[in-house]
Order: sequence, then C-alpha cells, then structure tokens
Amino acid sequence: GENVEQHPSTLSVQEGDSAVIKCTYSDSASNYFPWYKQELGKGPQLIIDIRSNVGEKKDQRIAVTLNKTAKHFSLHITETQPEDSAVYFCAASPGDTGTASKLTFGTGTRLQVTL
Amino acid sequence: ETGVTQSPTHLIKTRGQQVTLRCSSQSGHNTVSWYQQALGQGPQFIFQYYREEENGRGNFPPRFSGLQFPNYSSELNVNALELDDSALYLCASSGGGLAYNEQFFGPGTRLTVL
Repeated sequence: GENVEQHPSTLSVQEGDSAVIKCTYSDSASNYFPWYKQELGKGPQLIIDIRSNVGEKKDQRIAVTLNKTAKHFSLHITETQPEDSAVYFCAASPGDTGTASKLTFGTGTRLQVTL
Repeated sequence: ETGVTQSPTHLIKTRGQQVTLRCSSQSGHNTVSWYQQALGQGPQFIFQYYREEENGRGNFPPRFSGLQFPNYSSELNVNALELDDSALYLCASSGGGLAYNEQFFGPGTRLTVL
C-alpha cells in the first residue's frame, strides 16, 4: 500500500519568514495530494491540493509543488503569520475509482511561527 | 450550507464496551470516510461508505463496523473496546462520485477507553 513520509516533524520560523514542508510517497498510482492544517482540538482543514497533471499550484501565501518523477511534493508558506501555527499534514490518494478517496497521511509537521 | 458534524464530542468508555459514533455529511456529499487519529499521529483510514455501501477498508479488525443512511449520514461502531482504541475519530465527506474529490473533515469525536 501507499506510504507517505513527511519532514520535518517540527518547524519553527519567525513571523514573515517562509516555511517549507516536504513529503514523499511510494505508490506511483497516487494522483491527488491534499494538504491539511489541524489546529488544537479541531479536525483537519483542507488548505490546498494538487493533482498529478499539475506541477505547481498557488493560493495567496500558500503554494504546493509536485514532482511525480521523484514522487515528492512540498508545501510552501510565505510571509508566515502567528495564525499559521498549527500541525500540517500531507496526504496522497490512489487513482483507482474504487478507493480514489482513501487518503494516506504523513505523520505531520508542527509549525510554530514566533514573533 | 452546513459542514460536517460529529457527535458526541467526547466519550469515555471502559474496556470491552461498545460505542457508536455519528457523522452528518456536508450538504450534497454522498461519500463518507472514517479515520482514526492517535495522539501525535496522522489520521489512519478505517473505511469509506458510498451510497450506503462500504467501499474500501483500511487495516482495521471486523469489530470496527459502519453504516451509511439514505440521507448520507453515517455511524461508526466499535465493539469490544481496547485501550488502544483511544483516539480522535474523524469523519470526512466528499461529493459527486468517488474519484478526485476533496474530503472535508468534521471536528472529530475524542474517545477515551479506560
């Protein structure tokens, strides 16, 4: 089955700096890669996603890149703000219709944005 | 449009008991997936329901079972609770078929097994 590795496990940046979180996956059939933000006591919130036919996607201060050849994808947050502090999870989903929505998650990155 | 809701918020059970967790999917969504999130870990896929049928299952024993109702709401049942079942149980809904759909999570049910 799919295996998703995520690095780093913790990341501390100063307000205004950029943050980068990286994930690798093992199943070449995976073709949907969402990123979730989870705040304390809440469920994961979808913040951005990318599909295998796209190499990069941007939404304001957040961007995601995908390298299908190398089987890795990354989350980039620019101009970080204190409210960006949370745990971020990457995930991958297979392409077969029967289980297309099954998400395999990484282990999470705790991002702390300091003033 | 309401988001995904789950009940109860918190639950405390003792080993060997049975528990039922409930989820209401986001309006218009016909697919519900359940995940278990242990402390400090990423969510783990339990199973998925599409149009009231189980559609895919993760590496969880048969004592984890579920239902989906005609209104697409869903239940997760766990029998013979074990200490390791203590976790946050998340429900996610998606719509419009099975492929390539964004999943939106509810706030979860925190289950503690003593």
